[in-house]
Amino acid sequence: TQLLEQSPQFLSIQEGENLTVYCNSSSVFSSLQWYRQEPGEGPVLLVTVVTGGEVKKLKRLTFQFGDARKDSSLHITAAQPGDTGLYLCAGARTGTASKLTFGTGTRLQVTL
Amino acid sequence: KAGVTQTPRYLIKTRGQQVTLSCSPISGHRSVSWYQQTPGQGLQFLFEYFSETQRNKGNFPGRFSGRQFSNSRSEMNVSTLELGDSALYLCASSLAAGVDYGYTFGSGTRLTVV
Repeated sequence: TQLLEQSPQFLSIQEGENLTVYCNSSSVFSSLQWYRQEPGEGPVLLVTVVTGGEVKKLKRLTFQFGDARKDSSLHITAAQPGDTGLYLCAGARTGTASKLTFGTGTRLQVTL
Repeated sequence: KAGVTQTPRYLIKTRGQQVTLSCSPISGHRSVSWYQQTPGQGLQFLFEYFSETQRNKGNFPGRFSGRQFSNSRSEMNVSTLELGDSALYLCASSLAAGVDYGYTFGSGTRLTVV
């Protein structure tokens, strides 16, 4: 059973467009992380959010943790080819804080 | 500083064989976690070690095992390999146990079982 569903599964956009990736669950998470993974490499941590309603910005990327800590979103402004990759959300649940549950993934391709 | 190092990068094994994968964490990191990544199931947690003790274990059969040494290096072992064990095995290290410290992943070991 996949506890974290991401949408969309695939996204192909042109440089300069904006996009939002969603990560949804029926479970509450104590914290949520976003990673980007490129082919042949391991995931790279982008951000960790721990408070319901929290918003974090990383240059053109904006991350939000839902008020109820069951969902999150990643918004990219003016996408660039370098943003291409697999975006993964991952949640930690209270009591098993070191065990991450990963989302289904969103594969983003940004073309010129 | 050096990142998380996983060896080997690629491995081809035959059904029924066993395999050992190695992970050297970032210097100073004492927590090591292992994940399996497949196209169908995505990333799934295998186990986590901290100070040579297994702290958490995922829902994998007993054929999957691991250990951590006093220098924080970790190995995972899969016995009696099955075709379905073909996957990218990722190791992640952290300063201490708990995700709040942030995980750094290695590039993985690509295991193919034929």
